[in-house]
Amino acid sequence: NAGVTQTPKFQVLKTGQSMTLQCAQDMNHNSMYWYRQDPGMGLRLIYYSASEGTTDKGEVPNGYNVSRLNKREFSLRLESAAPSQTSVYFCASSEEGGLGYTFGSGTRLTVV
Amino acid sequence: RKEVEQDPGPFNVPEGATVAFNCTYSNSASQSFFWYRQDCRKEPKLLMSVYSSGNEDGRFTAQLNRASQYISLLIRDSKLSDSATYLCVVKLGGSYIPTFGRGTSLIVHP
Repeated sequence: NAGVTQTPKFQVLKTGQSMTLQCAQDMNHNSMYWYRQDPGMGLRLIYYSASEGTTDKGEVPNGYNVSRLNKREFSLRLESAAPSQTSVYFCASSEEGGLGYTFGSGTRLTVV
Repeated sequence: RKEVEQDPGPFNVPEGATVAFNCTYSNSASQSFFWYRQDCRKEPKLLMSVYSSGNEDGRFTAQLNRASQYISLLIRDSKLSDSATYLCVVKLGGSYIPTFGRGTSLIVHP
């Protein structure tokens, strides 16, 4: 049982480049989330999807877009990367009722 | 006041010690509570949920104090492998969005 799978694990981008972070879960969870984690800042919610077909902004959505492609997949897109987006990105999913959250192993993104 | 507050530490304890962390939350309507563990450069992983009556899992005990709006995590007989950051998570009833504390760092030394 793979749980939550994120790709890529590492990425270096130049300022202004675009990329999509992929996330897939095989636990039949309805809700999925994208977080970024920076030193001293904790986990900050970028976007979430309560269920297939819906997405909503979190605490820090600027500069990002998301797509809930189907129940399994939730992608995060950076249209024009900026150095301020250098961070570790985590995807997570949860079942109805939120009995805990399962995280992917993260994507370490550096924007130069 | 932040929604969820934790002492960042680090808590530096010897093997075998008992250590306790608290986490305070500001919204009295919070319904679900969890402790997560995050190892260096890894993803957070669920350690345990926190129930109103308190609950225990081996060396770990979690408590909820609704009146004072805090949850606690007690670790007995600390192991070197317990060294990690412990994240407190709080969720409002009916909400999809959990609120994470910034974590408490624990270092267990020989």
